[in-house]
Amino acid sequence: RKEVEQDPGPFNVPEGATVAFNCTYSNSASQSFFWYRQDCRKEPKLLMSVYSSGNEDGRFTAQLNRASQYISLLIRDSKLSDSATYLCVVNTNQGAQKLVFGQGTRLTINP
Amino acid sequence: DVKVTQSSRYLVKRTGEKVFLECVQDMDHENMFWYRQDPGLGLRLIYFSYDVKMKEKGDIPEGYSVSREKKERFSLILESASTNQTSMYLCASRFARQPQHFGDGTRLSIL
Repeated sequence: RKEVEQDPGPFNVPEGATVAFNCTYSNSASQSFFWYRQDCRKEPKLLMSVYSSGNEDGRFTAQLNRASQYISLLIRDSKLSDSATYLCVVNTNQGAQKLVFGQGTRLTINP
Repeated sequence: DVKVTQSSRYLVKRTGEKVFLECVQDMDHENMFWYRQDPGLGLRLIYFSYDVKMKEKGDIPEGYSVSREKKERFSLILESASTNQTSMYLCASRFARQPQHFGDGTRLSIL
């Protein structure tokens, strides 16, 4: 089983729609969780950290469910500029400060 | 803002050459990482370093070595480049359990 699993998509949704991704992780001792965004041929960039109580940043909401070992990302009122690959990232308890990246979920917002 | 700088955006080398990829960060982060990213395979960790002169193998260290002589600089070395090392190489740095910051990436082609 992979340490971090995501549905690779692609997700194609119309502009203005709400879209949600889930990501599961295997190590119950995982401590830190993040969502990154990666545009085509660019480096990954931090979208938001994920806190235990859930957190929101504008149109983006991240949630953590420790019991079921998954994190989610919700995008409301999607924009064309939201088209990207979204990477789920987990700091497992193993090793130093190593992060484990999911393979990413590809999202395309259509006009 | 954290700045992670990779020495080249694009690089073309020949099979058998020794290749050096350089990465510098300006935020005094103790942790630095080298990844490669290939279509369908996601980000794969090659090596990481949690202090000067310290290094640990990642998931795919074969054919690579690293050097961390100064805290701000982490070098990836391809001892004898092969065509299967053609890839996008990404350097990152991180402080403790904070999010990781990536450089722009180096697109390396081995002919």
